[in-house]
Amino acid sequence: GAGVSQSPSNKVTEKGKDVELRCDPISGHTALYWYRQSLGQGLEFLIYFQGNSAPDKSGLPSDRFSAERTGGSVSTLTIQRTQQEDSAVYLCASSFPGRSGQSYNEQFFGPGTRLTVL
Amino acid sequence: AQKVTQAQTEISVVEKEDVTLDCVYETRDTTYYLFWYKQPPSGELVFLIRRNSFDEQNEISGRYSWNFQKSTSSFNFTITASQVVDSAVYFCALSEAYNPGGKLIFGQGTELSVKP
Repeated sequence: GAGVSQSPSNKVTEKGKDVELRCDPISGHTALYWYRQSLGQGLEFLIYFQGNSAPDKSGLPSDRFSAERTGGSVSTLTIQRTQQEDSAVYLCASSFPGRSGQSYNEQFFGPGTRLTVL
Repeated sequence: AQKVTQAQTEISVVEKEDVTLDCVYETRDTTYYLFWYKQPPSGELVFLIRRNSFDEQNEISGRYSWNFQKSTSSFNFTITASQVVDSAVYFCALSEAYNPGGKLIFGQGTELSVKP
């Protein structure tokens, strides 16, 4: 596909369960980002990948959150022992790095995964 | 500390009115980038514009225009002759050069409602 895709589009889980959210970036985009959008907190950055490494994990809210990226493409965000406050829309974005290797170009967002923790 | 403030939570206008969405930012970095994104009811964030801190020239794209003023740390967005299809939540965002990867720091968003 031409855009960023995410799966599942909706996920309902019970408190305490683990969930995995998947992101497939635009082909050729080496930069990948995860954000979270919730009513109380707005849009928050979680983690940034350049290739398979994550130079910026500063937004991960707790050690229950982790992410990985393999093959410089697909990324998985894992939330362990989910809590009700984890309920949010999780957005993935990708970007093509600028000439300096840093990525300040526009980020293209996927449709998001709506996570509901009961 | 980096911060983006969109003081207008909701704006309601009638079609064909002009409307300006305000954005004020804070950063200690001298090199930074400012963005506007649109989030229609479908939910997907759509990129509108990127501006770097060294380029204060205003930009116009069709009915959209942006006014960047470093002196007041503002990057305002104006829609001329608004249309119902402009109804969406609009986010202003900041990216600082010292942050590897340029993570976006978003404002709280302004919900624009354009009524026929």
